[in-house]
Amino acid sequence: DADVTQTPRNRITKTGKRIMLECSQTKGHDRMYWYRQDPGLGLRLIYYSFDVKDINKGEISDGYSVSRQAQAKFSLSLESAIPNQTALYFCATSATNREETQYFGPGTRLLVL
Amino acid sequence: AQSVTQLGSHVSVSEGALVLLRCNYSSSVPPYLFWYVQYPNQGLQLLLKYTTGATLVKGINGFEAEFKKSETSFHLTKPSAHMSDAAEYFCAVSEAGGYNKLIFGAGTRLAVHP
Repeated sequence: DADVTQTPRNRITKTGKRIMLECSQTKGHDRMYWYRQDPGLGLRLIYYSFDVKDINKGEISDGYSVSRQAQAKFSLSLESAIPNQTALYFCATSATNREETQYFGPGTRLLVL
Repeated sequence: AQSVTQLGSHVSVSEGALVLLRCNYSSSVPPYLFWYVQYPNQGLQLLLKYTTGATLVKGINGFEAEFKKSETSFHLTKPSAHMSDAAEYFCAVSEAGGYNKLIFGAGTRLAVHP
């Protein structure tokens, strides 16, 4: 089984709709991250969390919110989706130290019409 | 502020040829550097990383990278390309501070043709 899972894998929604993307991990890591990937821009950090009580905004948090329900679960919400939020979204986890590898989920492809 | 620049958004090589993907970084602290690979319809996986110690780092699938502080570079190489190497490659630097945040380059898409 995959260490980091994301649901759904694909989603089409309409402008103004609320949508939630979910991430679960079995690696036992405290740190979790949400990124979005756009062609030519690489990955950009949306939110990150040290633990259940620690949530921080990343580079591009406007229009997004997150919830860390447990050590293993980190959800990303788009309160009112807009077309420029069409992107590929990745969840990642890591252990504590700066040199630690981040482990990525398979991604959620989101299309906002 | 830290940043990563990958030269060449698309690189095309013949099977068996040398692969060279370029990465330059800027960092105000000793950098921790990573190369990740993304195969079609998959997430990113680590190829290799440099933290401290030996500046020539070997990774999976025959890839290696050399940290050159004087050139602020961390180029990725493979002596002989294989068709299965076709993917997108991302260079990243770990941001200073305690959160293990990664700053990614824009990516380089590698095509391998027969």
